[in-house]
Amino acid sequence: QSALTQPRSVSGSPGQSVTISCTGTSSDVGAYDYVSWHQQHPGKAPKLMIYDVTKRPSGVPDRFSGSKSGNTASLTISGLQPEDEADYYCCSYTGFQTVFGGGTKVTVL
Amino acid sequence: QVHLQQWGAGLLKPSETLSLTCAVHGESFSDYYWTWIRQPPGKGLEWIGEISHSGSTKYSPSLESRVTISLGPSKNQFSLNLISLTAADTAVYYCVRDLNYCGRDSWGQGTLVTVSS
Repeated sequence: QSALTQPRSVSGSPGQSVTISCTGTSSDVGAYDYVSWHQQHPGKAPKLMIYDVTKRPSGVPDRFSGSKSGNTASLTISGLQPEDEADYYCCSYTGFQTVFGGGTKVTVL
Repeated sequence: QVHLQQWGAGLLKPSETLSLTCAVHGESFSDYYWTWIRQPPGKGLEWIGEISHSGSTKYSPSLESRVTISLGPSKNQFSLNLISLTAADTAVYYCVRDLNYCGRDSWGQGTLVTVSS
């Protein structure tokens, strides 16, 4: 069982927006602004999409955005594209270690 | 631009020791923390531990009794040792650069380690 809770799957049509939630506790997500999101395509290494809750690394499209409210962080993909179909993992600092969510499969219909 | 290249044995027997090494090319080794993460087949990501350029380490509590992360054997390299392997340790192991906590922007190609008799 993962430390952070994510929905198993979300889906949307091209051009739509989807949001993935990542629920933790007041000891991890709620306590620190160290939440990241990684995208992983099958057979590939994960790719950093969002870090420090809202920051986007260079080269990541601006349709990817991150936010946090209380103990829940969210990743929103606006204007869904076929290449966005992948698994997405959230990560949070706990004060000692970092923990991941179980992952969410995003399907582009 | 940083590039991480990793290697090590891919097929091991129960009770044996996993040894992987990761070489960092292209950017300063001393500005970051360096991490190992694993992913069992069809499952999610698990943080194993990290090491700084000065050699200070931190490990996952669930693996701490079996894991060692060290610098070397050569400059700008770091290594992972995991002892007393079981089938549950079968996974793809990644070496990773940490921008900060959870901000992992560069990943090695991954090494599938299978533990089987």
